[in-house]
Amino acid sequence: GESVGLHLPTLSVQEGDNSIINCAYSNSASDYFIWYKQESGKGPQFIIDIRSNMDKRQGQRVTVLLNKTVKHLSLQIAATQPGDSAVYFCAETSNFGNEKLTFGTGTRLTIIP
Amino acid sequence: GAVVSQHPSRVICKSGTSVKIECRSLDFQATTMFWYRQFPKQSLMLMATSNEGSKATYEQGVEKDKFLINHASLTLSTLTVTSAHPEDSSFYICSATRWGDRHYGYTFGSGTRLTVV
Repeated sequence: GESVGLHLPTLSVQEGDNSIINCAYSNSASDYFIWYKQESGKGPQFIIDIRSNMDKRQGQRVTVLLNKTVKHLSLQIAATQPGDSAVYFCAETSNFGNEKLTFGTGTRLTIIP
Repeated sequence: GAVVSQHPSRVICKSGTSVKIECRSLDFQATTMFWYRQFPKQSLMLMATSNEGSKATYEQGVEKDKFLINHASLTLSTLTVTSAHPEDSSFYICSATRWGDRHYGYTFGSGTRLTVV
């Protein structure tokens, strides 16, 4: 969704538990979605992506779910580890590669040892 | 995998001076590069979209005369912050992509921390 400059929401999860990070987007024309992980002082790092013709995609320990009806995206991280602590952003675009990415507000995930 | 290099990683400059930030795609030719700005605890805000050989497209509210973008080749884009002021202090991040080629995705540089004193 459109970032409106709000401070980041936070999520704390016990190490080993699963975490779910949610994102709402507003542009019904968006057809490509990406989740990024950003550690302090670094650029965003690609985690997983999904196109609008899919509703679920799985990677290593991560799953992205897309609900186009309600314009909602989620990132599930299984068996969280301390290294998963970071800020997570969803991003959306249409006409892949030729159009800008619009970033969501972001969520700070903290893994509790 | 696709790699984007951004330089410098951090810079401190005096108010009124200009600073140039470079963004290079190291192992692919980027048809499009994007420049973002990120304030502490906030999301990435797109400043401009840059296509090789053409003028950059700036987002609403971004001063094109203050933030000069040059995309001289398919592997290099530069952002120059002219007459920098303390309010320009921020984290600047570039991204490169190749149109229609999902193999390269949208790859981000490591960012540049600009501090204007």
